[in-house]
Amino acid sequence: NAGVMQNPRHLVRRRGQEARLRCSPMKGHSHVYWYRQLPEEGLKFMVYLQKENIIDESGMPKERFSAEFPKEGPSILRIQQVVRGDSAAYFCASSPEGRTGELFFGEGSRLTVL
Amino acid sequence: GQNIDQPTEMTATEGAIVQINCTYQTSGFNGLFWYQQHAGEAPTFLSYNVLDGLEEKGRFSSFLSRSKGYSYLLLKELQMKDSASYLCAAPERGGKLIFGQGTELSVKP
Repeated sequence: NAGVMQNPRHLVRRRGQEARLRCSPMKGHSHVYWYRQLPEEGLKFMVYLQKENIIDESGMPKERFSAEFPKEGPSILRIQQVVRGDSAAYFCASSPEGRTGELFFGEGSRLTVL
Repeated sequence: GQNIDQPTEMTATEGAIVQINCTYQTSGFNGLFWYQQHAGEAPTFLSYNVLDGLEEKGRFSSFLSRSKGYSYLLLKELQMKDSASYLCAAPERGGKLIFGQGTELSVKP
């Protein structure tokens, strides 16, 4: 049973470009969460999604950031017009339905903005 | 909302015991989690407490006092590989997990 799969593991973008991060949850998991981690800081919640629905996006910046979890395919975190401050590790986690808090994390996508 | 506090860093000696504390304030209690995160890697689940008391799992134990809003993670017989960040986390109503800033543990020989 494969774990949470994230790609790319490393992404380099220049200021103003777009970054797309993908996450495939564990088999049988219908809940996906995205977290951001700056160097030497904790995990900051960004968004919580179920298939085709955004449940909670209270941690998402109001501009440039969007997330989706379509009926088919992985969840996507999209950052438009990246700035240096977007450089961070972005972790995706999934959980089975009804298991609040028990999260299984992917290895993360490390975004570097030049 | 949640407010979770834990020390930023701790140092301990190989073979010793270390206790990492966490205090929390929640609008509705749904349990308390501990995760371990090695540098550059994904966080991994260590423990979950929903009732008061001590839960033991090998060298690691976790304690919870709901009345005091307090938890600790106890690591015994420390090994060098235990050097990592330890994250205390609590679920908010609606399902998302809120993390503390993490405690960076350094185990010295």
